[in-house]
Amino acid sequence: EPEVTQTPSHQVTQMGQEVILRCVPISNHLYFYWYRQILGQKVEFLVSFYNNEISEKSEIFDDQFSVERPDGSNFTLKIRSTKLEDSAMYFCASTRERSYEQYFGPGTRLTVT
Amino acid sequence: GENVEQHPSTLSVQEGDSAVIKCTYSDSASNYFPWYKQELGKGPQLIIDIRSNVGEKKDQRIAVTLNKTAKHFSLHITETQPEDSAVYFCAASGNFGNEKLTFGTGTRLTIIP
Repeated sequence: EPEVTQTPSHQVTQMGQEVILRCVPISNHLYFYWYRQILGQKVEFLVSFYNNEISEKSEIFDDQFSVERPDGSNFTLKIRSTKLEDSAMYFCASTRERSYEQYFGPGTRLTVT
Repeated sequence: GENVEQHPSTLSVQEGDSAVIKCTYSDSASNYFPWYKQELGKGPQLIIDIRSNVGEKKDQRIAVTLNKTAKHFSLHITETQPEDSAVYFCAASGNFGNEKLTFGTGTRLTIIP
């Protein structure tokens, strides 16, 4: 069964550094999402992406964040200058067009020190 | 925006008994209500979902009920097994598919052998 994959599984970075989190969505899916989950808290929506454009973003997704689909398979989340409060699990999800079911990847644990 | 409340935050159930987790939502425009299971160190896994044109949906030992008038929906797990131990999240999204999910705060379910 096709799955969403994410790399790396764990990323440790120093405050102020840039990080890129990578995702490979399910191959026939056209909508892509990033969510984050701070330890012990609920999963929060960051951004959705379709047809090479951001379709929606939350207030969390400020200017330090950006997303890109650099090729036909990868979907990336870049955090330009990481802060301590960016420490969280970051989940990528994808879905088919005109579909409700979102399928999540295993996540990347980002630790900012 | 949408707000999803989930109760209880923790639930311990004897193996073989039933477990019920409840969620309420605030936005009457929401029409899709999935449930996700999250095991330790993994991403959320979609286990069952319901759309607003249906009051109940069942899949083997798992069922979801929806009361649109009262704006609440529930997850029912019967004949619980140790592998049902996990954190369960409810979520809600809008009417058009491909929309962001708003998650509840999660329920840690422990099945006591």
